[in-house]
Amino acid sequence: GQQLNQSPQSMFIQEGEDVSMNCTSSSIFNTWLWYKQDPGEGPVLLIALYKAGELTSNGRLTAQFGITRKDSFLNISASIPSDVGIYFCAGPYNTDKLIFGTGTRLQVFP
Amino acid sequence: EAQVTQNPRYLITVTGKKLTVTCSQNMNHEYMSWYRQDPGLGLRQIYYSMNVEVTDKGDVPEGYKVSRKEKRNFPLILESPSPNQTSLYFCASSFATGFGEQYFGPGTRLTVT
Repeated sequence: GQQLNQSPQSMFIQEGEDVSMNCTSSSIFNTWLWYKQDPGEGPVLLIALYKAGELTSNGRLTAQFGITRKDSFLNISASIPSDVGIYFCAGPYNTDKLIFGTGTRLQVFP
Repeated sequence: EAQVTQNPRYLITVTGKKLTVTCSQNMNHEYMSWYRQDPGLGLRQIYYSMNVEVTDKGDVPEGYKVSRKEKRNFPLILESPSPNQTSLYFCASSFATGFGEQYFGPGTRLTVT
């Protein structure tokens, strides 16, 4: 079935560092979504992208919709301890379904 | 407060004993969905519902049932649970189809022995 691959699988960084992660698909998406899951909670939407090439920011987070429509990127600048969690990309397919990536687990050390 | 609630939050059961995980949302959302989360596999959609009495299979529907008799509730039913259904389950809802912002519940951790 449809799959979204995220990399890296996990990251261990020091507070203040910048973070980059990406999500790739074997087929084209018209929407890319980035969610964050805090430990012990459900995912929460961070950023939504609707147009190829689009670059959108939400505070220290910036996400980009890849030109090929088969990938998306999420950057976090000047990481802080509360950035810890799992980051998921997601996209719609077959009109009604939402598929999620495998996730990138982020650990931030003080 | 706008929210999605799930019950129970934790459940340990034995193989074959029927169980139901409830999900309720207070945002008048039309779209509701169930996901399971397993290490290394991310979130996989089990079933979803576009509206009352309208449900459809997601990517991993085997062994699960759902119903949508009321707009606010979307229970997940495991008629005969097996150990491979041990997982973390999330219910989610949104105004429109699956690619709108989905609001997730807090999760239900199920262990089947």
